[in-house]
Amino acid sequence: TQLLEQSPQFLSIQEGENLTVYCNSSSVFSSLQWYRQEPGEGPVLLVTVVTGGEVKKLKRLTFQFGDARKDSSLHITAAQPGDTGLYLCAGVDPAAGNKLTFGGGTRVLVKP
Amino acid sequence: DAGITQSPRHKVTETGTPVTLRCHQTENHRYMYWYRQDPGHGLRLIHYSYGVKDTDKGEVSDGYSVSRSKTEDFLLTLESATSSQTSVYFCAISEPGGEVGDYNEQFFGPGTRLTVL
Repeated sequence: TQLLEQSPQFLSIQEGENLTVYCNSSSVFSSLQWYRQEPGEGPVLLVTVVTGGEVKKLKRLTFQFGDARKDSSLHITAAQPGDTGLYLCAGVDPAAGNKLTFGGGTRVLVKP
Repeated sequence: DAGITQSPRHKVTETGTPVTLRCHQTENHRYMYWYRQDPGHGLRLIHYSYGVKDTDKGEVSDGYSVSRSKTEDFLLTLESATSSQTSVYFCAISEPGGEVGDYNEQFFGPGTRLTVL
């Protein structure tokens, strides 16, 4: 089973600051997804990155897929309290029928 | 939002009792999944289904069984609940587009919080 490690596990910042969440593996994934989960709800898909080196932007969120497709990062610029939540990365494993392997999650708290 | 509901949303039960959780979708998606979420572990796959009566095990399937008699319903059963099965359970659905461009993007239900005393 492929493993995905997220860091940090917890991040607390002030509104307006920037933050970066990392998702790392020793294995190659065919694509990687980022989800955000709010308390009492299920994860919601934010983005899918597919190509090594790919960068996608979603408003203030920037997602990058590593050149070797083993790692990814999520960068939030000028964080707002609405960005608070649990961020999960998930890799698609083609050797396992395209099932998702999830990282342990990064809990982000943006204080006003 | 994808039409996925889970029932019950909360349940407290005692060790040794059987428990069944239900996932219902209105999207006619072929794939359905059951995950459990525990602190520090992200989401771990329990079982999944790729069609009516077609199911397979995930990485943490021991102590769980599933059934899918209709496209829209996927049931997760704990035959004899144990305290280690206290968790939040999520159902997800997807409709893969085939081998090329198959990103298996999933849509999740709201979850069921299960406590086994």
